[in-house]
Amino acid sequence: GNSVTQMEGPVTLSEEAFLTINCTYTATGYPSLFWYVQYPGEGLQLLLKATKADDKGSNKGFEATYRKETTSFHLEKGSVQVSDSAVYFCALRGQGYNKLIFGAGTRLAVHP
Amino acid sequence: EAGVAQSPRYKIIEKRQSVAFWCNPISGHATLYWYQQILGQGPKLLIQFQNNGVVDDSQLPKDRFSAERLKGVDSTLKIQPAKLEDSAVYLCASSRLRGADGYTFGSGTRLTVV
Repeated sequence: GNSVTQMEGPVTLSEEAFLTINCTYTATGYPSLFWYVQYPGEGLQLLLKATKADDKGSNKGFEATYRKETTSFHLEKGSVQVSDSAVYFCALRGQGYNKLIFGAGTRLAVHP
Repeated sequence: EAGVAQSPRYKIIEKRQSVAFWCNPISGHATLYWYQQILGQGPKLLIQFQNNGVVDDSQLPKDRFSAERLKGVDSTLKIQPAKLEDSAVYLCASSRLRGADGYTFGSGTRLTVV
């Protein structure tokens, strides 16, 4: 079945450091891929998405490229801020389905 | 537009008691989802409604969990009787029919079973 695997956290960085959070997936066909962010005490918010191979999703300085050859959708940001501290979830939506399947989440802590 | 509303925000109950959660999705969103998020894990789909019909409830523990979506708008998720392992955040989300743009999530209800 479809599944998502994320790198384990927590990831601890200093402000202005480069961020990569790895995400790989298993799915048949052509899924859509998403990154969600969960700030403390809040619900999940859609950060970015990509719906086909080689698409790049971007938002708020974050980027992720849908790589079908490596079944990956790694999240990157060139310079993190303290306000980026949150839990990040990679998710996929299988072709022809509505259901989102989430990874376990990666906690990011950014220190001044 | 208004977001997905959930209540209550927090609930503490003893095991074997019952509890109910309420969700009001974004107006016009045909599809409504209930997810369970156990601490340290990603959300897991419990049940999906399209309008007022159930599309997917394959991971809903039907011996103790039930859900309904009357008139295709609001939804209620119930647990009866609760177990310790039901302690989690229960998230409601809604989307347009096929969810191509992703979902909008509510803030969730944090349930603690003691």
